Amino acid sequence: AQKVTQAQTEISVVEKEDVTLDCVYETRDTTYYLFWYKQPPSGELVFLIRRNSFDEQNEISGRYSWNFQKSTSSFNFTITASQVVDSAVYFCALSDALKAAGNKLTFGGGTRVLVKP
Amino acid sequence: DTAVSQTPKYLVTQMGNDKSIKCEQNLGHDTMYWYKQDSKKFLKIMFSYNNKELIINETVPNRFSPKSPDKAHLNLHINSLELGDSAVYFCASSHFNEQFFGPGTRLTVL
Repeated sequence: AQKVTQAQTEISVVEKEDVTLDCVYETRDTTYYLFWYKQPPSGELVFLIRRNSFDEQNEISGRYSWNFQKSTSSFNFTITASQVVDSAVYFCALSDALKAAGNKLTFGGGTRVLVKP
Repeated sequence: DTAVSQTPKYLVTQMGNDKSIKCEQNLGHDTMYWYKQDSKKFLKIMFSYNNKELIINETVPNRFSPKSPDKAHLNLHINSLELGDSAVYFCASSHFNEQFFGPGTRLTVL
């Protein structure tokens, strides 16, 4: 069975600080996908990134960066120079691959990030 | 143009009632899903349909019945609503491994 653990339930930082969100996953699949979603206070789920299990390159997108380490089954997310607008709940998720249909997402419990001005 | 839409956005009802939530996607995707987010923000899949066929059915009470009239629509009907059904229900559609979520429907059972 697949499992995603986000050990940090809430992180509070002051604006411009960096914040790193941890994500550890479990799966027996050799091919899988990892995701991060953002849920701002307005409630929608915003897709941030998808990474497949064969691609261990780190990725940077603006102030966001992701560190995928297959050896430790981790897919951590860093927000650099945080802003108040980054305040949200962030979810890490895992799905199996190689299926044309029915790739259910298994979500972690989420990490609430509060960025104070 | 809204990619995945849900109606209604808010639903407040009494225990024991029957209600439906509708979902439509205009992305041309073959697969649609229902997820439930509880009061602690935990997200869990409920159902998935591919081309109108049920392919994922997690451990969900029989009071919940999804229906897919065509591949662009996936509705969720809930019978005999209970207090514990209060949650946000998200519809999603996917093309291979990228899922697009609707805005969610907040259901409150009084």
